[in-house]
Amino acid sequence: AQTVTQSQPEMSVQEAETVTLSCTYDTSESDYYLFWYKQPPSRQMILVIRQEAYKQQNATENRFSVNFQKAAKSFSLKISDSQLGDAAMYFCAYRSAHFNKFYFGSGTKLNVKP
Amino acid sequence: DAGVTQSPTHLIKTRGQHVTLRCSPISGHKSVSWYQQVLGQGPQFIFQYYEKEERGRGNFPDRFSARQFPNYSSELNVNALLLGDSALYLCASSGDPGSSGNTIYFGEGSWLTVV
Repeated sequence: AQTVTQSQPEMSVQEAETVTLSCTYDTSESDYYLFWYKQPPSRQMILVIRQEAYKQQNATENRFSVNFQKAAKSFSLKISDSQLGDAAMYFCAYRSAHFNKFYFGSGTKLNVKP
Repeated sequence: DAGVTQSPTHLIKTRGQHVTLRCSPISGHKSVSWYQQVLGQGPQFIFQYYEKEERGRGNFPDRFSARQFPNYSSELNVNALLLGDSALYLCASSGDPGSSGNTIYFGEGSWLTVV
């Protein structure tokens, strides 16, 4: 079974600075998708960014970018110019290309200091 | 466009009771998935339905069941509630497999407390 590991339970960043959240996963599949979701205190999971495993180019969405290292099975999220509204739980997730089932990590709580 | 809607948002039940949670997917989405999120953990997959058929089931007991209706809305039912069933239940919808169907979009969840 696939597993997703987020080794940083909590992180802090100063407003306007950059922070990187780590994620590793374990799979024997070659075709899959990776995601980062944000969960603010309101509890709704919001898609931040996604990456197709067959793409070598790292995904970017405005201030959010990923560092996808397929051989190392690593998928980190970089948040640039951090804003107070970025404070939330961040979950890394894996989805097989063949089955619409998501595996989530345990989450990283991001604090943003003014 | 409306996102994924879930009801009720909060409810309290007693051990042994039954609960039904409801979900309406994003318009045009035919797949609905259910996840359980215990406090302090990531969501765990319970069920996935596509075109009214069960397409996947997670490692949950038979007390958990679900169904999808012709309008693609879905219900999650839990019988004989246990204290450990207290959690946020998230519904997610997605389109056809491939393209945007690879991404799931979540509702705000139903927070269940079992006392």
